[in-house]
Amino acid sequence: DGGITQSPKYLFRKEGQNVTLSCEQNLNHDAMYWYRQDPGQGLRLIYYSQIVNDFQKGDIAEGYSVSREKKESFPLTVTSAQKNPTAFYLCASSIPGTGTLGGYTFGSGTRLTVV
Amino acid sequence: AQTVTQSQPEMSVQEAETVTLSCTYDTSESDYYLFWYKQPPSRQMILVIRQEAYKQQNATENRFSVNFQKAAKSFSLKISDSQLGDAAMYFCALIQGAQKLVFGQGTRLTINP
Repeated sequence: DGGITQSPKYLFRKEGQNVTLSCEQNLNHDAMYWYRQDPGQGLRLIYYSQIVNDFQKGDIAEGYSVSREKKESFPLTVTSAQKNPTAFYLCASSIPGTGTLGGYTFGSGTRLTVV
Repeated sequence: AQTVTQSQPEMSVQEAETVTLSCTYDTSESDYYLFWYKQPPSRQMILVIRQEAYKQQNATENRFSVNFQKAAKSFSLKISDSQLGDAAMYFCALIQGAQKLVFGQGTRLTINP
């Protein structure tokens, strides 16, 4: 079955450490997105990529980095510069131009906790 | 920049009753699309209903319908005959132009048996 796989489901990080969240899709979608979800704030866009080897900052990119070396993969690194990284992270993908059809597919998320 | 606002952090309804979730938005564009997404405890995001801004007719999907008021920039979701499985976080979202979904803060819906 086609879909988006995020791993791990739960992740714990010590303060000052970088950590990478995995997002893999087998839907052949060109566009991929990373959202952060906090209670009472909904989902906020961190980074997005419309094509391989290209990506753009979203609304809250500070303290995060991404890469898009393969169409299927869009890993997110939470760096030590991110002041408050504890949150739920959602990855999504779409075929460019179909977003207006509601054609975003979401992963099941990663819960990151700083300890 | 576009914004989406959900002013009801929590709502509750009796099973089989009707509930309406509110959403307002702001955008300078005339061509955009609005959505309601459901996020159950599994945290999986599920598309509930979609509305094109250029259409005056309100969208309907089975027990789910919207009241789209373009001039007022309002987009409420009505759930009829509420069922226990409807309990979830509901997010209103808007998309335009560069295909980036913008979400509201969410409304947690509880269904009382």
